[in-house]
Amino acid sequence: SQKIEQNSEALNIQEGKTATLTCNYTNYSPAYLQWYRQDPGRGPVFLLLIRENEKEKRKERLKVTFDTTLKQSLFHITASQPADSATYLCALSSASGTYKYIFGTGTRLKVLA
Amino acid sequence: NAGVMQNPRHLVRRRGQEARLRCSPMKGHSHVYWYRQLPEEGLKFMVYLQKENIIDESGMPKERFSAEFPKEGPSILRIQQVVRGDSAAYFCASSPPGTLAYNEQFFGPGTRLTVL
Repeated sequence: SQKIEQNSEALNIQEGKTATLTCNYTNYSPAYLQWYRQDPGRGPVFLLLIRENEKEKRKERLKVTFDTTLKQSLFHITASQPADSATYLCALSSASGTYKYIFGTGTRLKVLA
Repeated sequence: NAGVMQNPRHLVRRRGQEARLRCSPMKGHSHVYWYRQLPEEGLKFMVYLQKENIIDESGMPKERFSAEFPKEGPSILRIQQVVRGDSAAYFCASSPPGTLAYNEQFFGPGTRLTVL
């Protein structure tokens, strides 16, 4: 069955460093991959989308890579700040069901001042 | 411009009662999606609706669950005869008409359902 894996352990990093989060998937060929941020008690907030034919996408301090051979996406936050502390979710959808996202369980990031 | 609104934010029901969850999409949005998030699990797609139409309900349990998005008013997710396993956070998302389906979905704050 389709499976998305994100590191369930919390990631603690020092302010100013680069945070790198991983999303691995199996038994799936996604056409689109998105990253969302979710704060406690709130709904997910869209951050970035990357297509299967794109290797990398950037937005301000955020960078996403998508390696369909490794079946992996990496999400980087450079110059991290305490305000970046949240849970980050990756979500995949296929070309045939583009709206039907499959979400990972998320990785909790804590940026220490 | 108000975001996606959901109410109630918290809902407590006893086993066997009905739960009604409401979602008002962002202004101008005509596509609505419902997701369920169980503790320690990722969000699971339930249903995709456009005004007065169910487009895809492949993620909805076959029994007790139904959804609608009438011409006027909010989208409603209805759970009949709730059981403890229905306890979860239910999120609604919306996107504009004519949207390319893979584009951003705007999520509401969720309704946390607790079944006693």
